[in-house]
Amino acid sequence: DTEVTQTPKHLVMGMTNKKSLKCEQHMGHRAMYWYKQKAKKPPELMFVYSYEKLSINESVPSRFSPECPNSSLLNLHLHALQPEDSALYLCASSQEAAWGNEKLFFGSGTQLSVL
Amino acid sequence: ELKVEQNPLFLSMQEGKNYTIYCNYSTTSDRLYWYRQDPGKSLESLFVLLSNGAVKQEGRLMASLDTKARLSTLHITAAVHDLSATYFCAGDSGGGADGLTFGKGTHLIIQP
Repeated sequence: DTEVTQTPKHLVMGMTNKKSLKCEQHMGHRAMYWYKQKAKKPPELMFVYSYEKLSINESVPSRFSPECPNSSLLNLHLHALQPEDSALYLCASSQEAAWGNEKLFFGSGTQLSVL
Repeated sequence: ELKVEQNPLFLSMQEGKNYTIYCNYSTTSDRLYWYRQDPGKSLESLFVLLSNGAVKQEGRLMASLDTKARLSTLHITAAVHDLSATYFCAGDSGGGADGLTFGKGTHLIIQP
């Protein structure tokens, strides 16, 4: 299994809603990531989890709250989002080795629209 | 802080032609990656380049890395329409799981 699975694929939410994005991988990877990608822009790193601990938070607003319940799962909890948060949210994973042919595997993304 | 610059940002070319996309980065990068993204889709890993002089090829795509010049290239040979996509290069300055810094992407259109 070389897939990173994200659900849902599409999400529309109001600014007062609470929703969660989910990401799952069964490749034994110990690093998982959330990226945000606006249309026609490169992906921007939001969070990095390494061995289920948050290691990088790229100054992301608190309305985005990541969670890593176990080594295979990564969630992104959303609350009180703004319309400018509408974007494609990508999850990725990697083996987290500082050597070797490491690469990031990306999920198919969740296309989020905030109304 | 690692910065990654790609050029060109937009490229329209005819089938059968050759072309090169350039990726410059500002500081030492442990690895250099190339990804492909189709509209509305996720990123597909193409190449990981680990060391100076690394060259990797798959099909009509060939990537190379010159760490002294801080330059990577993605060369397209005899382009076909199916290669139309956005291509991103990305660098990894932290070693291990520190995430990637992406270039702005090259939007490639290959016309029949």
